[in-house]
Formats: sequence, structure tokens, C-alpha cells
Amino acid sequence: DIVMTQTPLSLSVTPGQPASISCKSSQSLLHSDGKTYLFWYLQKPGQPPQLLIYEVSSRFSGVPDRFSGSGSGTDFTLKLRRVEAEDVGVYYCMQTRQLPPTFGQGTKVEIK
Amino acid sequence: QLQLQESGPRLVKPSETLSLTCTVSGGSISSSRYYWGWIRQSPEKGLEWIGSIYYNGSTYYNPSLKSRVTISVDTSKNQFSLKLSPVTAADTAVYFCARLWRYWGQGTLVTVSS
Repeated sequence: DIVMTQTPLSLSVTPGQPASISCKSSQSLLHSDGKTYLFWYLQKPGQPPQLLIYEVSSRFSGVPDRFSGSGSGTDFTLKLRRVEAEDVGVYYCMQTRQLPPTFGQGTKVEIK
Repeated sequence: QLQLQESGPRLVKPSETLSLTCTVSGGSISSSRYYWGWIRQSPEKGLEWIGSIYYNGSTYYNPSLKSRVTISVDTSKNQFSLKLSPVTAADTAVYFCARLWRYWGQGTLVTVSS
């Protein structure tokens, strides 16, 4: 299985300040079709994960442009340009390059 | 807007069968070429993919659960289902159904206990 490792595991951010989460995979997520199958989710308390980013950097419909994804191969980053109170929760990266799909351990973001 | 809703027993005894159904509304399971799947979440294991079913009925299972899992689809009811057997306390988790990987149900907590 591909292991997804996120850092940090927790983050305390002042509103309006930027934040960044790293995700590293144990194997390249680049598929032979040219796509890289790396997703980012945010899970708020009591809710299912909500899709933020797919294929490394494509924002899902309705996701604010303060969220951005980047990276390639095995190293990926989710950036929040200016953190807002509604951004609190646990962020997960996930790969679907190879079965079984696997998730990172999650990064808990809180507001200072 | 596509919506998914999990249903089924919340409490299952060890060694018995966990059965859940996902009812899809706002779209047809059979009319679109999507994968439908089950994911579970526990404090011990985090988020774990259980398996998926394609609109044509092809199934894919997590090797770690494959011997115990069956996923099926009922297009007449616009539902797909999960069976996991036999269960142990380690199968206690919140179970989500999803149209992979964009739309998720709210999840349902299933506890395995005697």
C-alpha cells in the first residue's frame, strides 16, 4: 500500500495568516495517463470529509480560491492563503494512484 | 444535488454480519459512469477505504478486508450495499458511502459489541 505522511499533525493559526500542510507519499502518484491522483479533504466536526482539491491542484466547485494545492511525484502541499474561522477542522490528503486508496493521518487546524 | 444516505443497524454482535445500505438521490446509479464506494473511519485506523463498485457492477475491495466484504448494487432502488462478515470489535467505526471521490453521505456509526 502507498503510505501517505502528513506534517504537521496539528496547526494553530491566527486568522488572516497563511498556513501550509505537507503530504508525502511512499511512491510516486504520477499515473501513466499523465495525471497525478492526489486529493485534499477537510473534515469538520461531525461531518464527512469535503473535497477541496483533486489531481494535486484543481479546486472542487465552490472551494474558495484561498485554498491551493501544489506538488508532484511524492511531495505535495496544501496552502491556505489567509485562514478564516470556518477553515478549522482536520485536513487529509489521499491518493488513488494505486489500489487500495490511502489517506494521510490528518492535520488538525485550529484558530488561535 | 447528489445526496447519499447510509442506513442499517447501529449495533452488531461479534461474529455476525454488518449490513449497510446507501440510498442515492438526485442522480441515478446506473446512468453515469462513476464508482460508488464505502469508506470507514475509526480513531485507531483513521480513514480506510473498504471497497468500490462500478456502475456496471465490477467490484474492488481493500485486500485487508477482501475475504469479509461484499458490495452490491440494486439499480431498481438506486441503492448500493455493504456486507462485512464476520465482524469483531475492530470493525467499530463510522461508515461512509460515497460517489467516489466527490460526494459523501453523512456517515453512520456502527458499534460491534455483545
